[in-house]
Amino acid sequence: GAVVSQHPSWVICKSGTSVKIECRSLDFQATTMFWYRQFPKQSLMLMATSNEGSKATYEQGVEKDKFLINHASLTLSTLTVTSAHPEDSSFYICSARQDPLYNSPLHFGNGTRLTVT
Amino acid sequence: AQTVTQSQPEMSVQEAETVTLSCTYDTSESDYYLFWYKQPPSRQMILVIRQEAYKQQNATENRFSVNFQKAAKSFSLKISDSQLGDAAMYFCAYRSESGNQFYFGTGTSLTVIP
Repeated sequence: GAVVSQHPSWVICKSGTSVKIECRSLDFQATTMFWYRQFPKQSLMLMATSNEGSKATYEQGVEKDKFLINHASLTLSTLTVTSAHPEDSSFYICSARQDPLYNSPLHFGNGTRLTVT
Repeated sequence: AQTVTQSQPEMSVQEAETVTLSCTYDTSESDYYLFWYKQPPSRQMILVIRQEAYKQQNATENRFSVNFQKAAKSFSLKISDSQLGDAAMYFCAYRSESGNQFYFGTGTSLTVIP
Protein backbone atom coordinates (compact mmCIF):
# COMPACT_ATOMS: atom_id res chain seq x y z
CA GLY A 1 0.00 0.00 0.00
CA ALA A 2 0.81 3.72 0.10
CA VAL A 3 2.10 4.04 -3.44
CA VAL A 4 2.97 7.37 -4.99
CA SER A 5 3.20 7.50 -8.77
CA GLN A 6 5.19 10.25 -10.44
CA HIS A 7 5.16 10.91 -14.16
CA PRO A 8 7.15 11.32 -16.30
CA SER A 9 10.29 9.57 -15.06
CA TRP A 10 12.44 11.70 -17.30
CA VAL A 11 11.89 14.53 -19.69
CA ILE A 12 14.01 16.58 -22.03
CA CYS A 13 12.74 19.97 -23.08
CA LYS A 14 14.01 23.01 -24.88
CA SER A 15 14.86 26.20 -23.10
CA GLY A 16 11.83 28.47 -22.81
CA THR A 17 9.22 25.74 -22.83
CA SER A 18 7.15 24.48 -19.91
CA VAL A 19 7.07 21.03 -18.39
CA LYS A 20 4.41 19.50 -16.18
CA ILE A 21 5.15 16.76 -13.66
CA GLU A 22 2.34 14.77 -12.08
CA CYS A 23 2.27 13.19 -8.65
CA ARG A 24 -0.50 10.79 -7.71
CA SER A 25 -1.25 8.91 -4.53
CA LEU A 26 -2.65 5.67 -5.89
CA ASP A 27 -4.22 4.01 -2.88
CA PHE A 28 -4.58 6.72 -0.29
CA GLN A 29 -5.70 10.29 0.10
CA ALA A 30 -3.17 13.02 0.64
CA THR A 31 -4.28 16.47 1.70
CA THR A 32 -0.66 17.52 1.60
CA MET A 33 2.03 16.68 -0.89
CA PHE A 34 5.60 17.88 -1.01
CA TRP A 35 7.88 18.73 -3.90
CA TYR A 36 11.62 18.29 -3.54
CA ARG A 37 14.55 19.01 -5.75
CA GLN A 38 17.72 16.99 -5.53
CA PHE A 39 21.10 17.79 -7.04
CA PRO A 40 23.60 14.99 -7.67
CA LYS A 41 24.92 13.44 -4.48
CA GLN A 42 23.09 15.95 -2.34
CA SER A 43 20.14 15.87 -0.01
CA LEU A 44 16.55 16.67 -0.81
CA MET A 45 15.69 20.34 -0.88
CA LEU A 46 12.06 21.11 -0.11
CA MET A 47 10.66 23.41 -2.74
CA ALA A 48 7.04 23.69 -1.71
CA THR A 49 4.20 22.15 0.20
CA SER A 50 1.15 21.46 -1.92
CA ASN A 51 -2.20 21.76 -0.17
CA GLU A 52 -5.39 20.34 -1.66
CA GLY A 53 -7.80 23.08 -2.57
CA SER A 54 -5.57 25.95 -1.59
CA LYS A 55 -2.38 27.70 -2.56
CA ALA A 56 0.94 25.99 -2.20
CA THR A 57 3.43 27.13 0.39
CA TYR A 58 6.81 27.84 -1.14
CA GLU A 59 10.16 27.70 0.60
CA GLN A 60 12.33 30.76 0.70
CA GLY A 61 14.18 31.30 -2.54
CA VAL A 62 11.81 29.23 -4.69
CA GLU A 63 10.15 31.25 -7.43
CA LYS A 64 6.40 30.83 -7.29
CA ASP A 65 5.90 31.99 -10.86
CA LYS A 66 8.46 29.57 -12.22
CA PHE A 67 7.38 26.50 -10.29
CA LEU A 68 3.59 26.40 -10.46
CA ILE A 69 1.93 23.89 -8.17
CA ASN A 70 -1.66 22.75 -8.39
CA HIS A 71 -3.28 20.30 -5.98
CA ALA A 72 -6.69 19.85 -7.52
CA SER A 73 -7.74 16.69 -5.75
CA LEU A 74 -6.83 14.54 -2.77
CA THR A 75 -4.78 12.27 -5.00
CA LEU A 76 -3.12 14.55 -7.52
CA SER A 77 -0.60 17.36 -7.38
CA THR A 78 1.21 18.82 -10.37
CA LEU A 79 4.40 20.83 -10.67
CA THR A 80 4.84 22.92 -13.79
CA VAL A 81 8.26 24.32 -14.55
CA THR A 82 7.53 27.36 -16.66
CA SER A 83 9.93 28.92 -19.15
CA ALA A 84 12.50 26.31 -18.29
CA HIS A 85 16.20 27.12 -18.44
CA PRO A 86 19.24 24.84 -18.29
CA GLU A 87 19.74 25.70 -14.62
CA ASP A 88 16.35 24.13 -13.90
CA SER A 89 17.78 20.77 -14.94
CA SER A 90 17.57 18.58 -11.89
CA PHE A 91 15.90 15.62 -10.24
CA TYR A 92 12.44 16.44 -8.87
CA ILE A 93 10.75 14.19 -6.34
CA CYS A 94 7.23 14.37 -4.97
CA SER A 95 6.04 12.83 -1.76
CA ALA A 96 2.88 12.52 0.27
CA ARG A 97 1.69 11.61 3.70
CA GLN A 98 -1.30 9.37 4.12
CA ASP A 99 -4.34 11.08 5.65
CA PRO A 100 -5.15 11.10 8.49
CA LEU A 101 -2.42 8.96 10.02
CA TYR A 102 -0.61 11.12 12.54
CA ASN A 103 2.58 9.13 12.33
CA SER A 104 2.57 8.49 8.61
CA PRO A 105 5.97 8.58 6.97
CA LEU A 106 6.53 10.26 3.64
CA HIS A 107 5.86 8.08 0.63
CA PHE A 108 7.89 9.09 -2.38
CA GLY A 109 7.38 8.98 -6.10
CA ASN A 110 10.12 7.62 -8.33
CA GLY A 111 11.28 11.09 -9.26
CA THR A 112 11.55 12.97 -12.54
CA ARG A 113 14.84 13.78 -14.18
CA LEU A 114 14.45 17.05 -16.05
CA THR A 115 17.00 18.08 -18.65
CA VAL A 116 16.64 21.48 -20.27
CA THR A 117 18.64 21.96 -23.45
CA ALA B 1 13.86 25.20 11.60
CA GLN B 2 15.09 21.94 12.93
CA THR B 3 18.47 20.75 11.71
CA VAL B 4 19.48 17.19 11.04
CA THR B 5 23.16 16.34 10.85
CA GLN B 6 24.78 13.31 9.32
CA SER B 7 28.48 13.63 9.97
CA GLN B 8 29.57 10.71 7.80
CA PRO B 9 29.39 11.58 4.08
CA GLU B 10 30.67 8.13 3.16
CA MET B 11 30.88 4.78 4.88
CA SER B 12 31.89 1.32 3.77
CA VAL B 13 31.26 -2.11 5.21
CA GLN B 14 32.31 -5.60 4.36
CA GLU B 15 29.51 -7.88 3.23
CA ALA B 16 27.95 -9.74 6.19
CA GLU B 17 29.44 -7.28 8.67
CA THR B 18 27.69 -4.63 10.74
CA VAL B 19 27.77 -0.90 10.17
CA THR B 20 26.34 2.05 12.08
CA LEU B 21 25.32 5.32 10.49
CA SER B 22 25.13 8.39 12.68
CA CYS B 23 22.48 11.07 12.87
CA THR B 24 21.96 13.92 15.29
CA TYR B 25 19.24 16.53 15.31
CA ASP B 26 18.44 19.77 16.99
CA THR B 27 14.98 20.46 18.39
CA SER B 28 13.25 22.02 21.35
CA GLU B 29 10.18 19.84 20.94
CA SER B 30 9.40 16.80 23.03
CA ASP B 31 7.18 14.95 20.60
CA TYR B 32 8.43 14.12 17.13
CA TYR B 33 9.19 11.34 14.67
CA LEU B 34 12.46 10.17 13.22
CA PHE B 35 13.01 8.22 10.04
CA TRP B 36 15.74 6.60 8.04
CA TYR B 37 15.30 6.51 4.28
CA LYS B 38 17.38 4.65 1.75
CA GLN B 39 18.01 5.93 -1.77
CA PRO B 40 19.61 3.30 -4.04
CA PRO B 41 21.02 4.16 -7.48
CA SER B 42 17.47 4.03 -8.88
CA ARG B 43 16.90 7.15 -6.73
CA GLN B 44 13.64 5.82 -5.33
CA MET B 45 13.36 6.87 -1.69
CA ILE B 46 12.53 3.88 0.48
CA LEU B 47 11.53 4.00 4.12
CA VAL B 48 13.86 1.83 6.18
CA ILE B 49 12.70 2.42 9.72
CA ARG B 50 10.89 4.94 11.89
CA GLN B 51 10.89 5.88 15.57
CA GLU B 52 8.39 7.80 17.66
CA ALA B 53 10.13 9.98 20.21
CA TYR B 54 7.73 9.02 23.01
CA LYS B 55 8.73 5.38 22.69
CA GLN B 56 11.75 4.40 24.71
CA GLN B 57 12.17 1.10 22.94
CA ASN B 58 14.42 1.23 19.90
CA ALA B 59 12.74 0.35 16.63
CA THR B 60 13.83 -2.76 14.77
CA GLU B 61 13.05 -3.97 11.26
CA ASN B 62 14.76 -7.25 10.46
CA ARG B 63 18.46 -6.44 9.94
CA PHE B 64 17.92 -2.74 10.63
CA SER B 65 17.76 -1.26 14.08
CA VAL B 66 18.18 2.14 15.63
CA ASN B 67 19.86 3.47 18.74
CA PHE B 68 17.64 6.35 19.81
CA GLN B 69 19.11 8.54 22.52
CA LYS B 70 16.54 11.26 23.14
CA ALA B 71 18.56 13.25 25.65
CA ALA B 72 21.54 13.29 23.35
CA LYS B 73 19.34 13.92 20.30
CA SER B 74 20.96 11.06 18.51
CA PHE B 75 19.38 8.55 16.15
CA SER B 76 21.83 6.09 14.64
CA LEU B 77 21.03 3.27 12.24
CA LYS B 78 22.63 -0.14 12.59
CA ILE B 79 22.66 -2.50 9.65
CA SER B 80 23.52 -6.06 10.55
CA ASP B 81 24.66 -8.78 8.15
CA SER B 82 25.18 -6.20 5.42
CA GLN B 83 24.19 -7.22 1.93
CA LEU B 84 25.21 -5.88 -1.46
CA GLY B 85 21.70 -4.53 -1.90
CA ASP B 86 22.17 -2.29 1.11
CA ALA B 87 24.51 -0.07 -0.89
CA ALA B 88 22.77 3.27 -1.18
CA MET B 89 22.50 6.79 0.16
CA TYR B 90 20.91 6.86 3.58
CA PHE B 91 19.04 9.91 4.81
CA CYS B 92 17.96 10.63 8.34
CA ALA B 93 14.77 12.67 8.67
CA TYR B 94 12.88 14.49 11.41
CA ARG B 95 9.26 15.55 11.66
CA SER B 96 7.63 17.30 14.58
CA GLU B 97 4.48 15.77 16.04
CA SER B 98 2.38 18.74 15.09
CA GLY B 99 4.01 19.72 11.84
CA ASN B 100 3.91 18.52 8.28
CA GLN B 101 7.41 19.29 7.17
CA PHE B 102 10.17 16.72 7.12
CA TYR B 103 13.76 17.81 7.63
CA PHE B 104 16.44 15.70 5.98
CA GLY B 105 20.10 15.25 6.75
CA THR B 106 22.76 15.53 4.08
CA GLY B 107 22.99 11.80 3.64
CA THR B 108 25.56 9.05 4.04
CA SER B 109 26.72 7.06 1.05
CA LEU B 110 27.13 3.42 2.05
CA THR B 111 29.33 1.07 0.05
CA VAL B 112 29.15 -2.66 0.65
CA ILE B 113 32.34 -4.49 -0.21
CA PRO B 114 31.93 -8.06 -1.44
